[in-house]
Amino acid sequence: ETGVTQTPRHLVMGMTNKKSLKCEQHLGHNAMYWYKQSAKKPLELMFVYNFKEQTENNSVPSRFSPECPNSSHLFLHLHTLQPEDSALYLCASSQDSYTEAFFGQGTRLTVV
Amino acid sequence: KQEVTQIPAALSVPEGENLVLNCSFTDSAIYNLQWFRQDPGKGLTSLLLIQSSQREQTSGRLNASLDKSSGRSTLYIAASQPGDSATYLCAVFSGSARQLTFGSGTQLTVLP
Repeated sequence: ETGVTQTPRHLVMGMTNKKSLKCEQHLGHNAMYWYKQSAKKPLELMFVYNFKEQTENNSVPSRFSPECPNSSHLFLHLHTLQPEDSALYLCASSQDSYTEAFFGQGTRLTVV
Repeated sequence: KQEVTQIPAALSVPEGENLVLNCSFTDSAIYNLQWFRQDPGKGLTSLLLIQSSQREQTSGRLNASLDKSSGRSTLYIAASQPGDSATYLCAVFSGSARQLTFGSGTQLTVLP
């Protein structure tokens, strides 16, 4: 138990579907993150939230839409994805943006 | 722009060996450096966090060192075991990037 929980663990979706990934942290942290991990590539930071406010958006396509309703929950809404969006999506949290980061187990997304 | 390099990309050793994983970064103005472990298809587990003012951190059989001026860190694993087999990732938080920058990882296999 890492303190950061992601659901679902696996997701297969068609290019016309709409789905959401969920992340919940029980560590009392103020910062939450979405990362994308594709095969043979370093982790790519997608979004950062500090105190529920989005502070970073690393040129992510609009088909990915984050939502942070409170400091414990983070969502990633997906719509009209492409096959190249298939990857492991990781959520993380930290007390502040520069302190130790803790990761969830990830959601393995396959777009067909 | 901060860049993080990990060498080697893959390493295979017999059980019981002591080994060293390397991490280098281009911008020495970092706040901290973090080592993670990732098992196949899983999330990241934080192993050690070294603050910029520290030279090393130890946890069990793991010892991480930091030489900020030369832009290098090493992760030393003593008496390796098959259960240590995983991908080890290095990440730095720097002021210039204002986010964690990851290396591509070293895939370690410890043979019984």
